[in-house]
This record gives sequence, C-alpha cells and structure tokens, in this order.
Amino acid sequence: DAGVIQSPRHEVTEMGQEVTLRCKPISGHDYLFWYRQTMMRGLELLIYFNNNVPIDDSGMPEDRFSAKMPNASFSTLKIQPSEPRDSAVYFCASSFGRHQPQHFGDGTRLSIL
Amino acid sequence: QKEVEQDPGPLSVPEGAIVSLNCTYSNSAFQYFMWYRQYSRKGPELLMYTYSSGNKEDGRFTAQVDKSSKYISLFIRDSQPSDSATYLCAMTYQGGKLIFGQGTELSVKP
Repeated sequence: DAGVIQSPRHEVTEMGQEVTLRCKPISGHDYLFWYRQTMMRGLELLIYFNNNVPIDDSGMPEDRFSAKMPNASFSTLKIQPSEPRDSAVYFCASSFGRHQPQHFGDGTRLSIL
Repeated sequence: QKEVEQDPGPLSVPEGAIVSLNCTYSNSAFQYFMWYRQYSRKGPELLMYTYSSGNKEDGRFTAQVDKSSKYISLFIRDSQPSDSATYLCAMTYQGGKLIFGQGTELSVKP
C-alpha cells in the first residue's frame, strides 16, 4: 500500500520566487495535514483539511502561504513570494479520522537563497 | 512554557541497553498520546498510539502514560543500532491539534 507521497523531495530557489509543494495522501484517508519542521521550532501544524475542505489554517505564518486540496488525492502548499526564513522541511500527513494516527510523507526540503 | 517538553538529548547507549524516553506536558485535556520515530531525511513514522492512561506494549517497545503526573514515556528493550533515530512524542485532545515535542536524538552504538 503506497504511503503519503510528496514532491519535490528537494527544492532550492531564490528569494521572491513562487514555490509549490505537492502531496498525495493515502487513498481513503479523509484528513490531510501540512507541517513545517525546523531546528528551532520543531514540527508545527500549518493547515489541515477534512474531506478536501480547509478546517484550520491558523498555523499558516503569513498571507504568502496558501494551500489547496482540489480533490481527495491531491493537495498543494504554495509560498509566494518566498523568503529565506521559509527554509525548512515541509511534511504532509494524512489520517482516517481526526484523531487517528497520522501517516507522514518523507517531506520536501526547501531552501530559499 | 511549551505545552509539551521533551529532552532533546542526544542520548547515546550501547547495543542491548534499555532506553527510556520521556515527555512532560502542561495541558490536562490531552488524551491521545503518540510516539513517532524519525530517521534522518525521512518523515516521522508512528511507533505507538495510546488513549488515556496506562501501558501499551509492542515487541521491544512499551509506552506508558501517567495523566496524574502529566508524563509519558517510551521504553525500548534490547536496543539495536537500527533504533538510532529521533523520537518524537505527540499528543492531542478531542477537537485539538496534534502537538509534538522537540524530539530526542538516540544513538545506539554496536
């Protein structure tokens, strides 16, 4: 059974560019979560969806960040314009049920120069 | 004060040792408790999931929850070099977000 799939695995881009991160959740899961991991702040929840609908985006740091889930098998996290402080590892996770175990992808390592 | 506190380590033990990893928390509403293992350059992988208080065992791993002390533990028996990773505790409550500890880096030396 395929796990959560994220792309790209690595992204290096210059400040001011648009960055799009992609996620395919596990089939049948109804919750999708986007996290950011840094050494300083650890794992932080950015936004989560239930049945493709955004439920809580209070963790999104600024208006430069946006996330969409056009269907049950695909989600994007977009940063526009990107800044060096956005450099981090971004994880997508999915679960079947709000408080059931979340399954994580292997992340996108983002570096903004 | 952070909602969840976890000693970042690093923790280094010889192969075969018993490892104890711990987290404390401040929010008494937490009722779902998890331990994740994260290898370098990989995503967190769920190890243990418990609801409310008590112990849960799975092979060499035992998770313990003490809600009266707001303290959770993960014990690893007969530790192996393949157990070398960062271990993250996580917890939540009905309607709440999953809150992670900072992670403890564990190294098991052959």
